[in-house]
Parts: sequence; structure tokens; C-alpha cells
Amino acid sequence: TQLLEQSPQFLSIQEGENLTVYCNSSSVFSSLQWYRQEPGEGPVLLVTVVTGGEVKKLKRLTFQFGDARKDSSLHITAAQPGDTGLYLCAGAPYNNLFFGTGTRLTVIP
Amino acid sequence: SQTIHQWPATLVQPVGSPLSLECTVEGTSNPNLYWYRQAAGRGLQLLFYSVGIGQISSEVPQNLSASRPQDRQFILSSKKLLLSDSGFYLCAWRGDSRNGYTFGYFGSGTRLTVV
Repeated sequence: TQLLEQSPQFLSIQEGENLTVYCNSSSVFSSLQWYRQEPGEGPVLLVTVVTGGEVKKLKRLTFQFGDARKDSSLHITAAQPGDTGLYLCAGAPYNNLFFGTGTRLTVIP
Repeated sequence: SQTIHQWPATLVQPVGSPLSLECTVEGTSNPNLYWYRQAAGRGLQLLFYSVGIGQISSEVPQNLSASRPQDRQFILSSKKLLLSDSGFYLCAWRGDSRNGYTFGYFGSGTRLTVV
């Protein structure tokens, strides 16, 4: 059972453009995390959102947790080639740590 | 600080051969440990997790097994590899912040190719 669905699956944009990645679930999560993964490496945590409606900013990245704590979004402003990577959302019900389907972002210089 | 070690980094094994991937964690005690498999460019599929020594939960029935012989050691095994076992395997430790946030620390992964 896939608990977390991400969209879009693939995204290719020009440098300087804005983009939004979505993470949706039918389940309620106490918190959601966002990770970025480079090829051949493990995912690295970017942020954790905890409170419904919470907004967190990390430089040009803005993360929002849905009011019902079932969904989250990642918005990148003025994307840079260094933003290229696989973005994953994750939730931790009980003792598990489940990941979303992933969004592969490519920023073209 | 906590660190997680995973080896080997790459592995090429023939079909039908056994498998053993090892993961160890330093700097924490009684961690929740996880094994994931990742298809190219996709999300992570949870295979096994363990909340303590000898305690293994399987999320997906398949040709793999896991063991936790020590508190900070998690092993992924197979008696006979299949071609479909190829993939990128990741070990993770679940951390809990002082504020109760849960997050994952990952090893560097093992690229397994079954030929």
C-alpha cells in the first residue's frame, strides 16, 4: 500500500523558473519530512513540518503542511541547477518511515 | 554524533547466489532501523524494519530476509538471488528530535546488480 503520492513524477524546467511539488495521502500524519537525494547517495533531510498549516522556509525552498496534515507541498523559487535531484516526502506512522513516490527535478542552465 | 555505515557500496552477484548486506549505526542506542530498496530514480520501498534485537517486521513478501543480531547491526540477506533483486539498497536509522520530530538518517547505499 502506497501511503504517499507525489506529483509530478518528473519535472524539467529552465533556471530561474518557479515550481511546486506535491505530496498527498489519505492518511493523517503527525509530521512529514522532505528529503533530497543525489544519484548514488542516500536521501538527506531538508525539513520536517509538524503543525497543520505550518509553513517553513529554507532559503528559496518553501514547505507547507496541509491543514488536515494529510498533504504537503514544496515550492522552489528561482530554481538553480544545483536544485536538481530527487525530492522525496516521508511520513512516520507508528514505527515505520514511509516515503513518497518521488519527484525527479532537472533544472536546465 | 550519530553515523550509519553500510557496505559494500557496489555488488555484482550471479543469479542463485546468496546475499549479505550489513548496516551498523554508531552514536545511538536501541535505534529503529530500516532497509529500503529503490528502483532507478524512484521512491523508496520499505522492505524491513526493526525496533530492537531479534525483532524484524517485513513490509513486502519477497526473496529477502533481515536479521538484527546486535543493537546497532542490521543485516539484509538472501539465500538465492533473483534478477528482480537488483536495485539500490539503503539502510536507515530513525531519529527523534527533542521536539518529537521523526526523521531518517541514511547510509550511502549498496548498488546490487544480479546477473
